[in-house]
Parts: sequence; structure tokens; C-alpha cells
Amino acid sequence: EAGVTQFPSHSVIEKGQTVTLRCDPISGHDNLYWYRRVMGKEIKFLLHFVKESKQDESGMPNNRFLAERTGGTYSTLKVQPAELEDSGVYFCASSQDWGSSGANVLTFGAGSRLTVL
Amino acid sequence: GEDVEQSLFLSVREGDSSVINCTYTDSSSTYLYWYKQEPGAGLQLLTYIFSNMDMKQDQRLTVLLNKKDKHLSLRIADTQTGDSAIYFCAESMHTNAGKSTFGDGTTLTVKP
Repeated sequence: EAGVTQFPSHSVIEKGQTVTLRCDPISGHDNLYWYRRVMGKEIKFLLHFVKESKQDESGMPNNRFLAERTGGTYSTLKVQPAELEDSGVYFCASSQDWGSSGANVLTFGAGSRLTVL
Repeated sequence: GEDVEQSLFLSVREGDSSVINCTYTDSSSTYLYWYKQEPGAGLQLLTYIFSNMDMKQDQRLTVLLNKKDKHLSLRIADTQTGDSAIYFCAESMHTNAGKSTFGDGTTLTVKP
């Protein structure tokens, strides 16, 4: 089966511009997560979709970030306007409904590297 | 990360054992994970352990958990050059096991 795919792999934009990152999860995975790694530091949770609904968006840094998952399939993460501190690698991950099975095994994409100049 | 800490670098010789350490602060953590990230690739889940376990072994990988000290380690036996990567420790709770808190990652370099 195809894994989690992210596009673009690398985006270079200027401060103030807009960027939209896309994530295609594994088909059938209801759970979709966005994470980011800034400046080689820890990978931080941004938000969690269950199908098309935002389950938890407590990690979204501010209102310049907008995530959508229309139709419950692919997801987009828009940064508008981008700031220098938004530079980093944005990871998407997906999983099936873990239910009572315990640990939620995430499959990560390769990430989208964002560079804001 | 402030809640999950790892040393940043580890260098070993091929064939030796590698031990990557991690400490976490949240005593309510239910699951603890080890991920591997190779250059240009996403994070690959290597293994995970439930908080009620002390040890888990999977081929060359051994995970040890000291819940009292909130200390997790990953031992890689017979380390190979292909094991060179960044290793991330992460923890999550049962209420949302997919919402994980990660460490900064340990860069493992294996020298021939």
C-alpha cells in the first residue's frame, strides 16, 4: 500500500507570503496528524483530525496556521502570512482507529521542509 | 523537548552495541516509542512499549523502561552502518495515543 505522501518536499518562500502544504494519508486511515520540527529541535504536535473533524488543535501556534481536511481524505496546512520562525519540517502522520487495541501506531510521511527567508 | 530529553549525539563502531537514553517527565505516560529517521525520509516506528512493561526485545533491539526513574533506553546490538540515523524517543497517553511528545532526537553515527 502507498504510504503517507507529502507535497511539496521543500518550499522556499519570503516572509509574508503564503504556503500550502498537502498530506495524503494512507487510504482508510481516519486519524491524521500534523507535527513540525523547528530548528532541529523536538518534533511538536500541531493538530489531529478524525476524518474531517478537528479532534485536537491545541498545538497550532497561532491563527496564521489553518488546517483543513475536507472530505476526510487529504489534508492541507496553510501558513499565511509566513514568518521566519515558521521555518522547519512539517510532518504528517496517519493511523487507523486504534479503538481498544492500545498504542496508536502512526505512519509518518517524509515531511515538507519550509524555508522562510 | 522540555518534557522528553535525549542526548543529541552518539558515535559507535560497527559491531558494537549502541545505547540511546531518554528521560521523560509525565508520569501518566502510557506508551513510549522509539522512532528512526534516515536522511530524507519520514519517521519510522521501530518499537513501542506499554508503561506496565519493563522490557521489550525485538531482534537486535531491546527497550528498557524504568518507570520509577522515568527513563527509557534503546539498545541496538551489533550496530551496523545502516543504523546511522536520528532516533527519537516519544511518549503519549491512552486518551490520545497518536498525540505524542517527542524528544530532540539522538543522532547515531556508526563508524566502520
